[in-house]
Amino acid sequence: AQSVAQPEDQVNVAEGNPLTVKCTYSVSGNPYLFWYVQYPNRGLQFLLKYITGDNLVKGSYGFEAEFNKSQTSFHLKKPSALVSDSALYFCAVRDWLRGGADGLTFGKGTHLIIQP
Amino acid sequence: DTGVSQDPRHKITKRGQNVTFRCDPISEHNRLYWYRQTLGQGPEFLTYFQNEAQLEKSRLLSDRFSAERPKGSFSTLEIQRTEQGDSAMYLCASSDKSWGPELNSQETQYFGPGTRLLVL
Repeated sequence: AQSVAQPEDQVNVAEGNPLTVKCTYSVSGNPYLFWYVQYPNRGLQFLLKYITGDNLVKGSYGFEAEFNKSQTSFHLKKPSALVSDSALYFCAVRDWLRGGADGLTFGKGTHLIIQP
Repeated sequence: DTGVSQDPRHKITKRGQNVTFRCDPISEHNRLYWYRQTLGQGPEFLTYFQNEAQLEKSRLLSDRFSAERPKGSFSTLEIQRTEQGDSAMYLCASSDKSWGPELNSQETQYFGPGTRLLVL
């Protein structure tokens, strides 16, 4: 079975500071990893994904994520936070062995609050 | 460029009533997914379609739930005899055509705004 853990319910960062939102995963085979962002009363917006290759993945709005196989982690990062980055962030995983048959498995989400 | 749309955006119903939600995927996306999201949780997979074929159903999808995608375009999700525990956000997502199981897993899913259901 595949699973995702987002250990922090909430992350508070001052505007202009770097931010990190943590994610760890568990799969049987090779993982495909995704980050989505959700604004109030809206659906999920895709930020970035890791499939293979370079462990550092760059995505939308200046976000990036680093895949670490030995630590089974896929932390989301941004060098300089903006107040508009405040939202709910979800990490998700898929196991390639399942062939896409079971959708994405999401973490519980992390509230990111950027303070002016 | 139109994204995934869902209708209605909000639905309030009384326990025991039937409700139906509609999802219109991104044009020409052949895979369509339904998820359920409860407060404080991430979305949970319910079912998915490749074209008009429903290929997988989660154990979360009880026999009161039924989904269809009759022409391989829009999809409907019906809940019969609603219960208070059905109150949640129902999300639809679609993804483009891919080839082979591994590529299916790599695809990016694009989500609609969701339908928020409240069962009284």
